[in-house]
Amino acid sequence: EIVMTQSPATLSLSPGERATLSCRASQSVSSYYLSWYQQKPGQAPRLLIYGASTRATGIPARFSGSGSGTDFTLTISSLQPEDFAVYYCQQDYNFLLTFGGGTKVEIK
Amino acid sequence: QVQLQESGPGLVKPSETLSLTCTVSGGSISSYYWSWIRQPAGKGLEWIGRIYISGSTNYNPSLKSRVTMSVDTSKNQFSLRLSSVTAADTAVYYCARDSYCSGGSCYPTGLDYWGQGTLVTVSS
Repeated sequence: EIVMTQSPATLSLSPGERATLSCRASQSVSSYYLSWYQQKPGQAPRLLIYGASTRATGIPARFSGSGSGTDFTLTISSLQPEDFAVYYCQQDYNFLLTFGGGTKVEIK
Repeated sequence: QVQLQESGPGLVKPSETLSLTCTVSGGSISSYYWSWIRQPAGKGLEWIGRIYISGSTNYNPSLKSRVTMSVDTSKNQFSLRLSSVTAADTAVYYCARDSYCSGGSCYPTGLDYWGQGTLVTVSS
């Protein structure tokens, strides 16, 4: 099983700042199979990025994904009030899907 | 617009079987894998498994011995059964649309549509 480790666990930033979230896989993952989600309290997760860098339908351009191999990054270029939430990375290799533990982006 | 809705008992007794159904509307259940994911209160997401309309399944190895998934294309529904439940199975359970399949190949598109989730509590 591929373990996904996200860092930091919590990111305290102000609106307008840039957020950089990290996701590391325990072994190499094809970028094809790497996705990012946003979850707000009491809501289902929302797909932001799939294929490591492709924005899902309706996702603003301030969200971008990058990376390859074992290291992947989600960047929010300028935090908006509605972006404060928990973010999860997810891989889908060899028919087994696993999530990272999440990064909480909170208001500083 | 595709919509998913989970349904089933909100309370299950220990050692019994948890049964949930996900109804898909606004689109066909064909051509996609469909997943179940759960989330204990205050914790992260755990993938339970996925099913295709052919009945092909992939399960999380940690739950595989207790999980059964099925699909009913006539009702545009898929279902989850989790046996021998304990308090550790208490969680919000989500269904979601998974990979797109065509011509014998499947293409990961992320879990792009989710149900609102349903809380299942295991307690006597």
